[in-house]
Amino acid sequence: DGGITQSPKYLFRKEGQNVTLSCEQNLNHDAMYWYRQDPGQGLRLIYYSQIVNDFQKGDIAEGYSVSREKKESFPLTVTSAQKNPTAFYLCASRMGTGGNSEAFFGQGTRLTVV
Amino acid sequence: AQSVTQPDIHITVSEGASLELRCNYSYGATPYLFWYVQSPGQGLQLLLKYFSGDTLVQGIKGFEAEFKRSQSSFNLRKPSVHWSDAAEYFCAVGPSGSARQLTFGSGTQLTVLP
Repeated sequence: DGGITQSPKYLFRKEGQNVTLSCEQNLNHDAMYWYRQDPGQGLRLIYYSQIVNDFQKGDIAEGYSVSREKKESFPLTVTSAQKNPTAFYLCASRMGTGGNSEAFFGQGTRLTVV
Repeated sequence: AQSVTQPDIHITVSEGASLELRCNYSYGATPYLFWYVQSPGQGLQLLLKYFSGDTLVQGIKGFEAEFKRSQSSFNLRKPSVHWSDAAEYFCAVGPSGSARQLTFGSGTQLTVLP
């Protein structure tokens, strides 16, 4: 089945530690996105990539980094510079960037600072 | 700039009752509109989408939505709610910005009473 796989489902981070969230898709989609979800705030865009080897900052990129070395993969690293990383992280992909291209989402990763 | 407003943070209905979730948008051109549903701890699933044509669109799980350009609204409806419909619902509009992303509302949490 085609879809987006995020791992792990739960992740715990110690203070000062970098952690990487995995996002893999087998939908052959060009565009991929990382969102952060906090209660009552909807989805906020962290980073996006419209093509391999290219990515751009979204609205809340500080303290995060990404790479896009393969079309299928778009990992997100939460660095120690992110002061409030506890949140639910969602990865999404779209076939293209046209308006009629819906977003498909992974099941999310819940990150908690311990 | 585009935006989406979901005026109701939380709605409670009894099982079997009808449901209407409100969505108002601001968009500079003909919008592409989406409704997504999110169960606790899960990703977002597409319920329905509107691109053009008939302003009443049917989706999965018995949901429908009506696009009203004059009111800048895209309200989600269901004639008879089931307990399994309890979830959070997000309206989205797009694409926009350099990311050509979808802009999401802050969500409406639906509680279904037995």
